[in-house]
Amino acid sequence: NAGVTQTPKFQVLKTGQSMTLQCAQDMNHNSMYWYRQDPGMGLRLIYYSASEGTTDKGEVPNGYNVSRLNKREFSLRLESAAPSQTSVYFCASSPRDRGYEQYFGPGTRLTVT
Amino acid sequence: AQRVTQPEKLLSVFKGAPVELKCNYSYSGSPELFWYVQYSRQRLQLLLRHISRESIKGFTADLNKGETSFHLKKPFAQEEDSAMYYCALSDFSQGGSEKLVFGKGTKLTVNP
Repeated sequence: NAGVTQTPKFQVLKTGQSMTLQCAQDMNHNSMYWYRQDPGMGLRLIYYSASEGTTDKGEVPNGYNVSRLNKREFSLRLESAAPSQTSVYFCASSPRDRGYEQYFGPGTRLTVT
Repeated sequence: AQRVTQPEKLLSVFKGAPVELKCNYSYSGSPELFWYVQYSRQRLQLLLRHISRESIKGFTADLNKGETSFHLKKPFAQEEDSAMYYCALSDFSQGGSEKLVFGKGTKLTVNP
């Protein structure tokens, strides 16, 4: 099993550009999550999906949209990137819909200039 | 609201010394608590969870409901323990949240 995979690993955007971060898991997990990690701020939840077809906002959803394409895939879209969105983005999945142990992807390092 | 506090942003110890990373939580239900570790530029991985009562890489953590704490301890730190450590809380009771709440993390440096 590959576990949780994310693409791309690195990305540089100019302010105003858009992009989609891809995440996939092959563990048949119900729940999937997107976090951002910033120095001194820890991990902050952007959006999550408790099951296929459902999505909910987390702590910092502004400026982002998500799509739970199917059970395996959960994408994060930045419609108009801003320098404040420079961060490391982690996708995670969980086998249960009650926030049980989460498995993380390798992260995407995004820089917005 | 659920909250996890890790009071130390940075912690530095010498190799062979005991180490304790503090975690306090605020929650009125039945918490499920975890410690995650992130080595330099790697993904987060689960270190241990309180219900399994395991000892992983020499680390242990005891849930103290009276003090609402879940401190991570190791009697003899090794240089390879240098990493970022996150404490996390989940509601495992009936009707609980699907989310984990993370603390802001403690960066542990073990000096030779």
